[in-house]
Amino acid sequence: DAGVTQSPTHLIKTRGQQVTLRCSPKSGHDTVSWYQQALGQGPQFIFQYYEEEERQRGNFPDRFSGHQFPNYSSELNVNALLLGDSALYLCASSEDREGTEAFFGQGTRLTVV
Amino acid sequence: GQNIDQPTEMTATEGAIVQINCTYQTSGFNGLFWYQQHAGEAPTFLSYNVLDGLEEKGRFSSFLSRSKGYSYLLLKELQMKDSASYLCAVRDWTYSSASKIIFGSGTRLSIRP
Repeated sequence: DAGVTQSPTHLIKTRGQQVTLRCSPKSGHDTVSWYQQALGQGPQFIFQYYEEEERQRGNFPDRFSGHQFPNYSSELNVNALLLGDSALYLCASSEDREGTEAFFGQGTRLTVV
Repeated sequence: GQNIDQPTEMTATEGAIVQINCTYQTSGFNGLFWYQQHAGEAPTFLSYNVLDGLEEKGRFSSFLSRSKGYSYLLLKELQMKDSASYLCAVRDWTYSSASKIIFGSGTRLSIRP
């Protein structure tokens, strides 16, 4: 089992550009959550996808959008990048039932210059 | 809303015991997690508490008091490899079919020889 895999691992973008990050969940997991982690901070919840729909959303602007595919993999899109979007983006997968832990991918380090 | 508080930094000695506290406020509590995160890596699962009391797992134990909105992570026989950030996270079940895991800012634990 490959666990949760994210791509790319590192990315450098320019202000104003758009970026797409990808996540493949752990085998058997149907729920994917995305988090933004700034240096020295805990992960901040962006949104969660289940059955190809956004089910929950944190306090992030509409520039952050996502998608979940029938195979449960997911994408995070960020438009009109700002310098403040520089962070580690973590994908976490879980089963949609009570008490289950979330397994994290290694993250994508996004740098906006 | 949700709020999770934990100390920013702690220092302990190799071989000793350390307790990391976490207090939380959430509208729909459905379990508390502790994750360990080494610098530059993804968080890894340590423990999960949904009922009051102590859960022991090897050198690590986690305690929960739902009435007080309080948890702690106890690390025994500290090793140098335990130097990491420890994230307290709460599953917030805001409506019947969805939940999200909210993280605190993390406690950076440094182990000295």
